[in-house]
Amino acid sequence: TQLLEQSPQFLSIQEGENLTVYCNSSSVFSSLQWYRQEPGEGPVLLVTVVTGGEVKKLKRLTFQFGDARKDSSLHITAAQTGDTGLYLCAPRLSNAGGTSYGKLTFGQGTILTVHP
Amino acid sequence: GAVVSQHPSRVICKSGTSVKIECRSLDFQATTMFWYRQFPKQSLMLMATSNEGSKATYEQGVEKDKFLINHASLTLSTLTVTSAHPEDSSFYICSGGWVGEQYFGPGTRLTVT
Repeated sequence: TQLLEQSPQFLSIQEGENLTVYCNSSSVFSSLQWYRQEPGEGPVLLVTVVTGGEVKKLKRLTFQFGDARKDSSLHITAAQTGDTGLYLCAPRLSNAGGTSYGKLTFGQGTILTVHP
Repeated sequence: GAVVSQHPSRVICKSGTSVKIECRSLDFQATTMFWYRQFPKQSLMLMATSNEGSKATYEQGVEKDKFLINHASLTLSTLTVTSAHPEDSSFYICSGGWVGEQYFGPGTRLTVT
């Protein structure tokens, strides 16, 4: 059974601060996605990381995939109030069968609140 | 990206009644769609996989007789919450797409009084 841990669960910071959210597991992932969800809306895909050690940047967001593909992190630089939301990681297992076809298992989520 | 819509966005119903939620893929065909449930301040939990033209596959612990799923066309899946109770109040979200790229609907807020 895959054990997926996302931390921290809650994060409350001031505008301008930096933060990091972690997604860890004992299983190897074939890929991992990060989503952001605002209240009352569906999640929106931010990035997909595929290669061990991969680093992707999206403006002030930096996503890293661990060398062993068991963990990932999301780092936000100089957070803004507009970054407030629920951040979710969703890995895809290496041994996922064809029947999974897009099925996602999400981490517990990190609720980020950025105060002005 | 692809667009998924849900209807209604909000619904309030009385305990014991049934509620149908629609999920539509607007600009692509979805042979498979997924239904999730989300409680306040929590992550999304997968309820079931909706398969066009065949029976849905339910996750462990999800009552298939309570959450009826119908995927009669390549662009429409429906979730019917039967004999709803207050504990069924939640945010229901669907998704569709393809391997590696799922698009989520805007969600339906169900409140059972």
